Amino acid sequence: DIQMTQSPSVLSASVGDRVTLSCKASQNINKNLDWYQQKLGEAPKLLIYFTNNLQTGIPSRFSGSGSGTDYTLTISSLQPEDVATYYCYQYNSGPTFGAGTKLELK
Amino acid sequence: QVQLQQSGAELAKPGSSVKISCKASGYTFTSYYISWIKQTTGQGLEYIGYINTGSGGTNYNEKFKGKATLTVDKSSSTAFMQLSSLTPDDSAVYYCARGRWYFDFWGPGTMVTVSS
Repeated sequence: DIQMTQSPSVLSASVGDRVTLSCKASQNINKNLDWYQQKLGEAPKLLIYFTNNLQTGIPSRFSGSGSGTDYTLTISSLQPEDVATYYCYQYNSGPTFGAGTKLELK
Repeated sequence: QVQLQQSGAELAKPGSSVKISCKASGYTFTSYYISWIKQTTGQGLEYIGYINTGSGGTNYNEKFKGKATLTVDKSSSTAFMQLSSLTPDDSAVYYCARGRWYFDFWGPGTMVTVSS
């Protein structure tokens, strides 16, 4: 199985900060990666698909990038409503989710 | 608007089975796959598998082969997942979601608790 390692596991940031979340795969996943946001008590929500495609209705402050084994989700200016846990998900082979990054307000 | 409505919480005994439903509305049901995802506090999110809602063809994560069975009823735009030979490790929230490679709409989740 491909292992997905997300870092950091917890991130504290202030409103307006630029925030970068990392996801590293144990092998090349050919950009077959999505990002999901999950708020407490809710189902996950698709933010980014195929590495860098913004899902309809998602604010443009969210962006994704990466290739090979290293991928990043960036929030250009953190808003209070962005407090959530963020998961990466690879579907290149034997689909797997990362363990998540919990984003908190400082 | 696209909606996936899931059946209610289940309390099941070890060794028994449960069948969870996922009723789709607001789009052409057979135009999109339905996938299933398990979420626990300990293991996080785990991909179970998907069903081709048009053909009924399925694909399972190796870990869930023999545990989960995915079916579909096109007449009611409903997907089902049966979980068999339940153990406490099957206690989780189970989500259905629209899509095969990425999941653009999710159901609210069905909590399954396995306890004697």
